[in-house]
Amino acid sequence: DVKVTQSSRYLVKRTGEKVFLECVQDMDHENMFWYRQDPGLGLRLIYFSYDVKMKEKGDIPEGYSVSREKKERFSLILESASTNQTSMYLCASSSGPLAYEQYFGPGTRLTVT
Amino acid sequence: EDKVVQSPLSLVVHEGDTVTLNCSYEVTNFRSLLWYKQEKKAPTFLFMLTSSGIEKKSGRLSSILDKKELFSILNITATQTGDSAIYLCAVEAGGAQKLVFGQGTRLTINP
Repeated sequence: DVKVTQSSRYLVKRTGEKVFLECVQDMDHENMFWYRQDPGLGLRLIYFSYDVKMKEKGDIPEGYSVSREKKERFSLILESASTNQTSMYLCASSSGPLAYEQYFGPGTRLTVT
Repeated sequence: EDKVVQSPLSLVVHEGDTVTLNCSYEVTNFRSLLWYKQEKKAPTFLFMLTSSGIEKKSGRLSSILDKKELFSILNITATQTGDSAIYLCAVEAGGAQKLVFGQGTRLTINP
Protein backbone atom coordinates (compact mmCIF):
# COMPACT_ATOMS: atom_id res chain seq x y z
CA ASP A 1 0.00 0.00 0.00
CA VAL A 2 1.07 3.52 -0.74
CA LYS A 3 1.94 5.38 2.37
CA VAL A 4 2.10 9.13 2.71
CA THR A 5 3.14 10.34 6.13
CA GLN A 6 3.21 13.81 7.60
CA SER A 7 5.49 14.77 10.43
CA SER A 8 2.84 15.95 12.88
CA ARG A 9 -0.92 15.49 13.32
CA TYR A 10 -1.26 18.60 15.46
CA LEU A 11 1.00 21.64 15.71
CA VAL A 12 0.69 24.89 17.62
CA LYS A 13 2.97 27.80 16.71
CA ARG A 14 3.20 31.47 17.53
CA THR A 15 2.78 34.33 15.09
CA GLY A 16 6.05 35.11 13.35
CA GLU A 17 7.61 31.68 13.87
CA LYS A 18 9.11 29.76 10.96
CA VAL A 19 7.20 26.52 10.50
CA PHE A 20 8.23 23.37 8.64
CA LEU A 21 5.68 20.76 7.62
CA GLU A 22 7.21 17.55 6.33
CA CYS A 23 5.71 14.99 3.99
CA VAL A 24 7.27 11.66 3.04
CA GLN A 25 5.99 9.05 0.58
CA ASP A 26 7.35 5.57 0.16
CA MET A 27 6.24 4.67 -3.37
CA ASP A 28 8.80 6.48 -5.49
CA HIS A 29 6.15 8.90 -6.79
CA GLU A 30 7.29 11.73 -9.01
CA ASN A 31 4.51 14.18 -8.10
CA MET A 32 3.85 15.70 -4.71
CA PHE A 33 1.33 18.31 -3.60
CA TRP A 34 0.51 20.52 -0.63
CA TYR A 35 -3.08 21.59 0.03
CA ARG A 36 -4.78 23.45 2.82
CA GLN A 37 -8.34 22.61 3.83
CA ASP A 38 -10.67 25.13 5.45
CA PRO A 39 -14.38 24.78 6.25
CA GLY A 40 -16.53 26.02 3.42
CA LEU A 41 -13.53 26.38 1.08
CA GLY A 42 -12.54 22.79 0.42
CA LEU A 43 -8.99 21.85 -0.51
CA ARG A 44 -6.87 24.53 -2.13
CA LEU A 45 -3.57 23.80 -3.82
CA ILE A 46 -0.61 25.66 -2.36
CA TYR A 47 2.39 24.23 -4.24
CA PHE A 48 3.24 21.11 -6.17
CA SER A 49 6.31 19.42 -7.55
CA TYR A 50 6.80 17.10 -10.51
CA ASP A 51 10.40 16.23 -9.76
CA VAL A 52 13.25 16.74 -7.36
CA LYS A 53 14.21 20.39 -7.03
CA MET A 54 11.23 21.44 -9.14
CA LYS A 55 8.28 23.38 -7.79
CA GLU A 56 5.21 25.03 -9.19
CA LYS A 57 2.87 27.52 -7.55
CA GLY A 58 -0.65 26.40 -6.94
CA ASP A 59 -3.66 28.62 -6.38
CA ILE A 60 -2.65 30.13 -3.02
CA PRO A 61 1.16 30.20 -2.70
CA GLU A 62 1.42 33.53 -0.87
CA GLY A 63 3.11 33.19 2.50
CA TYR A 64 4.44 29.71 1.74
CA SER A 65 7.50 28.15 0.15
CA VAL A 66 8.47 24.53 -0.51
CA SER A 67 11.54 22.39 -0.76
CA ARG A 68 12.07 19.10 -2.55
CA GLU A 69 15.66 17.97 -2.15
CA LYS A 70 14.85 14.26 -2.32
CA LYS A 71 12.20 12.45 -4.34
CA GLU A 72 10.40 11.05 -1.33
CA ARG A 73 10.22 14.23 0.72
CA PHE A 74 8.31 17.47 0.13
CA SER A 75 8.46 20.19 2.75
CA LEU A 76 6.10 23.12 3.18
CA ILE A 77 7.60 26.19 4.85
CA LEU A 78 5.78 29.07 6.47
CA GLU A 79 8.48 31.73 6.65
CA SER A 80 6.63 33.83 9.23
CA ALA A 81 3.46 32.17 10.45
CA SER A 82 0.31 34.26 10.71
CA THR A 83 -3.05 33.52 12.30
CA ASN A 84 -4.73 33.26 8.89
CA GLN A 85 -2.53 30.26 8.18
CA THR A 86 -4.32 28.28 10.88
CA SER A 87 -5.67 25.36 8.87
CA MET A 88 -5.53 21.67 8.06
CA TYR A 89 -2.62 20.93 5.72
CA LEU A 90 -2.77 17.87 3.49
CA CYS A 91 0.07 16.40 1.48
CA ALA A 92 -0.51 14.11 -1.51
CA SER A 93 1.60 12.18 -3.96
CA SER A 94 1.02 10.50 -7.29
CA SER A 95 2.78 8.78 -10.13
CA GLY A 96 2.17 9.25 -13.80
CA PRO A 97 -0.46 11.31 -15.61
CA LEU A 98 -3.62 10.19 -13.81
CA ALA A 99 -4.77 12.82 -11.33
CA TYR A 100 -7.13 10.51 -9.49
CA GLU A 101 -4.19 8.52 -8.26
CA GLN A 102 -3.30 11.17 -5.71
CA TYR A 103 -2.71 9.49 -2.36
CA PHE A 104 -3.22 11.73 0.63
CA GLY A 105 -1.47 11.88 3.97
CA PRO A 106 -3.42 12.11 7.24
CA GLY A 107 -3.06 15.87 7.51
CA THR A 108 -1.47 18.31 9.95
CA ARG A 109 -3.76 20.60 11.88
CA LEU A 110 -1.76 23.77 12.40
CA THR A 111 -2.88 26.43 14.86
CA VAL A 112 -1.07 29.77 14.85
CA THR A 113 -1.68 31.87 17.95
CA GLU B 1 -10.77 31.13 -13.00
CA ASP B 2 -11.53 27.43 -12.57
CA LYS B 3 -14.35 26.79 -10.14
CA VAL B 4 -16.02 23.75 -8.56
CA VAL B 5 -19.15 24.17 -6.44
CA GLN B 6 -20.73 21.49 -4.30
CA SER B 7 -24.19 21.43 -2.77
CA PRO B 8 -25.46 21.09 -0.22
CA LEU B 9 -22.58 22.02 2.07
CA SER B 10 -24.11 20.01 4.87
CA LEU B 11 -26.73 17.27 5.01
CA VAL B 12 -28.20 15.29 7.89
CA VAL B 13 -30.36 12.24 7.18
CA HIS B 14 -31.52 9.06 8.87
CA GLU B 15 -30.01 5.67 8.30
CA GLY B 16 -31.65 3.98 5.32
CA ASP B 17 -32.35 7.21 3.44
CA THR B 18 -31.06 7.85 -0.08
CA VAL B 19 -28.96 10.97 -0.64
CA THR B 20 -27.83 12.86 -3.72
CA LEU B 21 -24.79 15.12 -3.60
CA ASN B 22 -24.19 17.67 -6.34
CA CYS B 23 -21.08 19.03 -7.99
CA SER B 24 -21.01 21.68 -10.71
CA TYR B 25 -17.92 23.05 -12.39
CA GLU B 26 -16.59 25.73 -14.68
CA VAL B 27 -13.08 24.91 -15.82
CA THR B 28 -10.89 25.19 -18.88
CA ASN B 29 -9.63 22.02 -20.56
CA PHE B 30 -11.69 19.57 -18.53
CA ARG B 31 -10.04 16.15 -18.25
CA SER B 32 -11.85 14.29 -15.47
CA LEU B 33 -14.04 14.67 -12.40
CA LEU B 34 -13.25 12.83 -9.21
CA TRP B 35 -15.11 12.04 -6.02
CA TYR B 36 -13.34 11.44 -2.71
CA LYS B 37 -14.59 10.45 0.72
CA GLN B 38 -12.90 11.99 3.75
CA GLU B 39 -13.56 10.59 7.19
CA LYS B 40 -11.27 11.63 10.00
CA LYS B 41 -8.06 11.60 8.04
CA ALA B 42 -6.94 11.44 4.43
CA PRO B 43 -9.39 11.65 1.54
CA THR B 44 -9.83 8.32 -0.22
CA PHE B 45 -10.67 7.96 -3.88
CA LEU B 46 -14.20 6.87 -4.87
CA PHE B 47 -14.78 7.49 -8.58
CA MET B 48 -13.27 9.05 -11.65
CA LEU B 49 -15.61 10.20 -14.42
CA THR B 50 -14.55 11.28 -17.87
CA SER B 51 -17.51 10.55 -20.15
CA SER B 52 -21.06 11.87 -20.01
CA GLY B 53 -23.93 9.56 -19.16
CA ILE B 54 -21.90 6.57 -18.04
CA GLU B 55 -22.73 5.63 -14.47
CA LYS B 56 -19.97 4.43 -12.21
CA LYS B 57 -21.12 2.15 -9.41
CA SER B 58 -19.57 0.70 -6.30
CA GLY B 59 -21.94 -1.04 -3.93
CA ARG B 60 -24.48 1.49 -2.68
CA LEU B 61 -22.60 4.42 -4.23
CA SER B 62 -23.00 5.57 -7.80
CA SER B 63 -22.04 8.63 -9.79
CA ILE B 64 -22.71 10.13 -13.17
CA LEU B 65 -21.33 13.04 -15.17
CA ASP B 66 -23.12 15.47 -17.49
CA LYS B 67 -20.50 17.29 -19.57
CA LYS B 68 -23.08 19.37 -21.38
CA GLU B 69 -24.57 20.82 -18.21
CA LEU B 70 -21.23 20.68 -16.39
CA PHE B 71 -22.23 18.77 -13.29
CA SER B 72 -22.00 15.44 -11.55
CA ILE B 73 -24.04 13.74 -8.85
CA LEU B 74 -23.05 11.19 -6.25
CA ASN B 75 -25.85 8.95 -5.02
CA ILE B 76 -25.78 6.86 -1.88
CA THR B 77 -28.67 4.45 -1.32
CA ALA B 78 -29.66 2.75 1.93
CA THR B 79 -27.28 4.98 3.88
CA GLN B 80 -25.44 3.68 6.93
CA THR B 81 -23.76 5.51 9.81
CA GLY B 82 -20.42 4.58 8.27
CA ASP B 83 -21.26 6.78 5.29
CA SER B 84 -20.91 9.84 7.52
CA ALA B 85 -18.02 11.82 6.06
CA ILE B 86 -17.08 14.82 3.99
CA TYR B 87 -17.52 14.09 0.28
CA LEU B 88 -15.18 16.00 -1.99
CA CYS B 89 -15.58 16.65 -5.68
CA ALA B 90 -12.52 17.62 -7.71
CA VAL B 91 -11.92 18.40 -11.36
CA GLU B 92 -8.72 17.82 -13.25
CA ALA B 93 -8.32 20.77 -15.57
CA GLY B 94 -5.61 22.59 -17.42
CA GLY B 95 -2.25 21.01 -16.70
CA ALA B 96 -2.11 17.32 -15.91
CA GLN B 97 -2.37 16.29 -12.28
CA LYS B 98 -3.67 19.62 -11.03
CA LEU B 99 -6.98 19.22 -9.18
CA VAL B 100 -9.51 21.93 -8.35
CA PHE B 101 -11.65 20.93 -5.35
CA GLY B 102 -15.12 21.97 -4.35
CA GLN B 103 -15.97 23.01 -0.80
CA GLY B 104 -17.07 19.53 0.18
CA THR B 105 -20.41 18.22 1.48
CA ARG B 106 -20.50 17.15 5.12
CA LEU B 107 -22.89 14.20 5.31
CA THR B 108 -24.15 12.99 8.67
CA ILE B 109 -26.16 9.78 8.95
CA ASN B 110 -28.13 9.45 12.17
CA PRO B 111 -29.14 5.99 13.41
